[in-house]
Order: sequence, then C-alpha cells, then structure tokens
Amino acid sequence: GAGVSQSPSNKVTEKGKDVELRCDPISGHTALYWYRQSLGQGLEFLIYFQGNSAPDKSGLPSDRFSAERTGGSVSTLTIQRTQQEDSAVYLCASSFDGLGEDTQYFGPGTRLTVL
Amino acid sequence: AQTVTQSQPEMSVQEAETVTLSCTYDTSESDYYLFWYKQPPSRQMILVIRQEAYKQQNATENRFSVNFQKAAKSFSLKISDSQLGDAAMYFCAFLRNSNYQLIWGAGTKLIIKP
Repeated sequence: GAGVSQSPSNKVTEKGKDVELRCDPISGHTALYWYRQSLGQGLEFLIYFQGNSAPDKSGLPSDRFSAERTGGSVSTLTIQRTQQEDSAVYLCASSFDGLGEDTQYFGPGTRLTVL
Repeated sequence: AQTVTQSQPEMSVQEAETVTLSCTYDTSESDYYLFWYKQPPSRQMILVIRQEAYKQQNATENRFSVNFQKAAKSFSLKISDSQLGDAAMYFCAFLRNSNYQLIWGAGTKLIIKP
C-alpha cells in the first residue's frame, strides 16, 4: 500500500505569514507524529496523535505552532506568523497503534524556508 | 532524561568493505527499543534495523547488523559489503517502552567511495 505522504514538498514563505503543512498517514495507522529537523541535526519531536485521545503537544516550540488531525487520518501542522528560525524540514510519521514496539514510518518531509 | 550520542559526524568507506557506525545512549530505563534509520538525499527516513533491549541476541537484517552492549549503553551499526546505495545520513534513535517519543542522535553521514 501507499506510504506516508506529505505536501507540499517544499514551501518558501515570507516572515510573518502563516503556513499549513499536510500529512497523509498510512491507511489503518492510528498513531501520527510530527517532527522537525533543522539543518545538520537529528529530529525534534513536536506532537503526537493516537486515535481519539487528546494529542501530546509537549514538543511544540511555541504557541505559534498548532496541529490537528481530522477523522483520525489526515493531519495539518500550522505555523502562524512564521519566523526565520522556523526554517527546517518537517517530517510526519505514522505507526499502527503507537505502542513502544511499534515501528514509525516516515513521509518525505516538507522543507520550509522562511525568508 | 534520555540522550543519544553519535560521535562520528562523517564516515567514509570503500565500496564492498565493512564500516561500523557508533551510537551511545544514556537512560535509567531497563526496557526500551533502539533503532537505526537511514536518510538518503530524498529525505525519506527509512528504518534499517531495530533492537529490543530485553533481547540479548544482536539484530541482523541482511548486510546490516548491530552490536548491542546494554551494560555499556552502546548500539553500533555494522554495514558489510558496502554498496553505493548505502550512502546516506544514519540516525540512531531510542524509544522508552510505553512511550512514543523517539529520541534521536545528531546523525552520521556515510560516504561510499567507488
């Protein structure tokens, strides 16, 4: 079946504008994760959705960042009033049920550039 | 707090030879999972191999194997018969049991010389 997909692949925006990044998880996966990868760095956890439970937002760096997941499937990460330090690759992953032994499968990411 | 350290920012190996990438981690947990992911220029993060901490046997996947030393908190990746397609960034990651937040190392860039 299809893997995790993300859109857009690349996004260039001006400082102060809002952006929306989309993630389509693997069909049947109930757990969805967002990570941020700055240049030359490992991944930084942002937010986690599991089924109908309240999301774990503990990794969001500021209140300019928010995410939602509609119908337990597609997720949108929104960054308001973008800043240059928001420039990074944003990766989405999904897994079957989010338990520790579960493998996370990643999408190709969205490269965000804030000018 | 858990941390993951990859001390080799870059490694190079001749095609067909063997290379070992290092990873150490710090945790007080006894039950956890360790992963190696590969990220080629396409940016897609691909699972290479995983190890359950309760298993003493080292995981292997074809040309990829790990040397898991639980007491030393070491989790190195060995790639045998290196191929040009193995060129990528390799990330070591830690997952505490009953949790879902992968903790990542900074990565090692692997260069394959033809």
